[in-house]
Amino acid sequence: GQNIDQPTEMTATEGAIVQINCTYQTSGFNGLFWYQQHAGEAPTFLSYNVLDGLEEKGRFSSFLSRSKGYSYLLLKELQMKDSASYLCAVSDYKLSFGAGTTVTVRA
Amino acid sequence: GAGVSQTPSNKVTEKGKYVELRCDPISGHTALYWYRQSLGQGPEFLIYFQGTGAADDSGLPNDRFFAVRPEGSVSTLKIQRTERGDSAVYLCASSLTGGGYGSYNEQFFGPGTRLTVL
Repeated sequence: GQNIDQPTEMTATEGAIVQINCTYQTSGFNGLFWYQQHAGEAPTFLSYNVLDGLEEKGRFSSFLSRSKGYSYLLLKELQMKDSASYLCAVSDYKLSFGAGTTVTVRA
Repeated sequence: GAGVSQTPSNKVTEKGKYVELRCDPISGHTALYWYRQSLGQGPEFLIYFQGTGAADDSGLPNDRFFAVRPEGSVSTLKIQRTERGDSAVYLCASSLTGGGYGSYNEQFFGPGTRLTVL
């Protein structure tokens, strides 16, 4: 089975940086995804890591350490529209999700 | 191009009734997944299709749940004798392939069907 943990909530100020941590214990690993989900909407893809290290995509970066079962998503230059739930998901062809981290961006 | 579509967007039914939820994946995507999301939780895997066959149905909670994908495109999730605990958002996702190790297998999600069992 899969066990995926991430914080429930985080609050940050517009323009700041927030780091969302995710730890996992899995029976299979085919990569780790981060998805963004606004309230009432479908999850949308943010990033994918399969090898150790940092992947950068604009304001969003994601890091993976397979030996530690650890990943983080870094959101830089926060904007109000970044207020959403961020889901960490481990793939072994199907996705096993954490419960999500609700990020609130304050002006 | 069109994304994943799901119908209906909302379904309200009474306990004990039968419901069908439909998913239309992105054209050409061979892999299709159903997930269920309860309030405040991440999506929970139900079933995975590769083409027409169910490659993994280990997430279906019990035999009241069944899904088909007869022509390898549209899929229908069927729930018999609905219970109040079945109330959730049912999400469908598709990907180009099912993926192997290291393969980039991004899943594209539909908007979901919100099922409410009274």
